[in-house]
Amino acid sequence: DAGVTQSPTHLIKTRGQQVTLRCSPISGHKSVSWYQQVLGQGPQFIFQYYEKEERGRGNFPDRFSARQFPNYSSELNVNALLLGDSALYLCASSSGTADQPQHFGDGTRLSIL
Amino acid sequence: EDQVTQSPEALRLQEGESSSLNCSYTVSGLRGLFWYRQDPGKGPEFLFTLYSAGEEKEKERLKATLTKKESFLHITAPKPEDSATYLCAVRSGGGADGLTFGKGTHLIIQP
Repeated sequence: DAGVTQSPTHLIKTRGQQVTLRCSPISGHKSVSWYQQVLGQGPQFIFQYYEKEERGRGNFPDRFSARQFPNYSSELNVNALLLGDSALYLCASSSGTADQPQHFGDGTRLSIL
Repeated sequence: EDQVTQSPEALRLQEGESSSLNCSYTVSGLRGLFWYRQDPGKGPEFLFTLYSAGEEKEKERLKATLTKKESFLHITAPKPEDSATYLCAVRSGGGADGLTFGKGTHLIIQP
């Protein structure tokens, strides 16, 4: 079975631009979470969606937004990009039932010039 | 606020030299402690979930244990292919299922 897939794998943007990252969860998984991982740090939680509803939000500014579609895929949008937004953006999916582990994709490497 | 601290930050071992990685945590109502392995340029790969103090899980050369304040990842007779960054994360009580991660331990196994 396919794992979590993310696109694109790499992206270069300039300050002030907007970006959309995409994620397809493991088949049968209804929950998708987004994380930001800066070099040398652990992933930091941005959003979680379950059945198209936002279930949780981390400590990120309103420039970050997300949504989940009826097929459980998800998009993460970041507006007004800053240099500090350069990071690996990871998507994780889980079944959504209590306390099941999250399984991660290989991420989108976003570089801001 | 949930906190996870991993030590050491980096560890270099000879092949076959066993050791342990530490994950200390503070959380309001633990709903799970997770260990992941991350290779360069890849996403974290799930290894174990532990739910309550005293629980242990094993997989090949890895064994994870849990107490009320910390978790250990024991690596027995490691091989070079065990080289990776090992991440610890917790999920706490409340509605959101977001994980709080530590910074990881960068493990290098030399042949």
